[in-house]
Amino acid sequence: NAGVTQTPKFRVLKTGQSMTLLCAQDMNHEYMYWYRQDPGMGLRLIHYSVGEGTTAKGEVPDGYNVSRLKKQNFLLGLESAAPSQTSVYFCASTGDWGYTFGSGTRLTVV
Amino acid sequence: LAKTTQPISMDSYEGQEVNITCSHNNIATNDYITWYQQFPSQGPRFIIQGYKTKVTNEVASLFIPADRKSSTLSLPRVSLSDTAVYYCLVAWTGTASKLTFGTGTRLQVTL
Repeated sequence: NAGVTQTPKFRVLKTGQSMTLLCAQDMNHEYMYWYRQDPGMGLRLIHYSVGEGTTAKGEVPDGYNVSRLKKQNFLLGLESAAPSQTSVYFCASTGDWGYTFGSGTRLTVV
Repeated sequence: LAKTTQPISMDSYEGQEVNITCSHNNIATNDYITWYQQFPSQGPRFIIQGYKTKVTNEVASLFIPADRKSSTLSLPRVSLSDTAVYYCLVAWTGTASKLTFGTGTRLQVTL
């Protein structure tokens, strides 16, 4: 089925470790986004991309980096994980009828 | 960016019609109004989108008055499975803007 796929679904990191979250979409969407959602809160935009090779900062970009080398993929990197980055991360892409979200990555930093 | 205001929570009994209103006083001419539904441990799911008047699909209806400063999501005959958080977003979907989802409206449906 067409949609947004996120990997991994769960991950536990130790403080200071690094990791990359992968987002892939097969809908040929130009725009892709990374959000984080903390318990009881709405989604906050981390970074976004308006097309292959472009990225931009969102509301809470500190501590994260992104890359969009291919149109269908949007990677989110944590260079040195901190407990404050414990959250659920959602990737999304935008088409004519709004956002399509992935199922999320639950990240715990201990 | 148009700021939205919606109730934090609502309760309903199964079988009732639920109306969730969102205020967006500074909506721009190009902005569309979009509603999303989010279940626990899942990403938000698109429900409905409109620009003005009324839009209906198999899931919900969206009512938008002429001044477009508010909108109402209507869920007919809710069931327990409609228990979720509902978000109202106002933006021009043709561009990538720094959209922020608010805390949404937490709808609890009971028997």
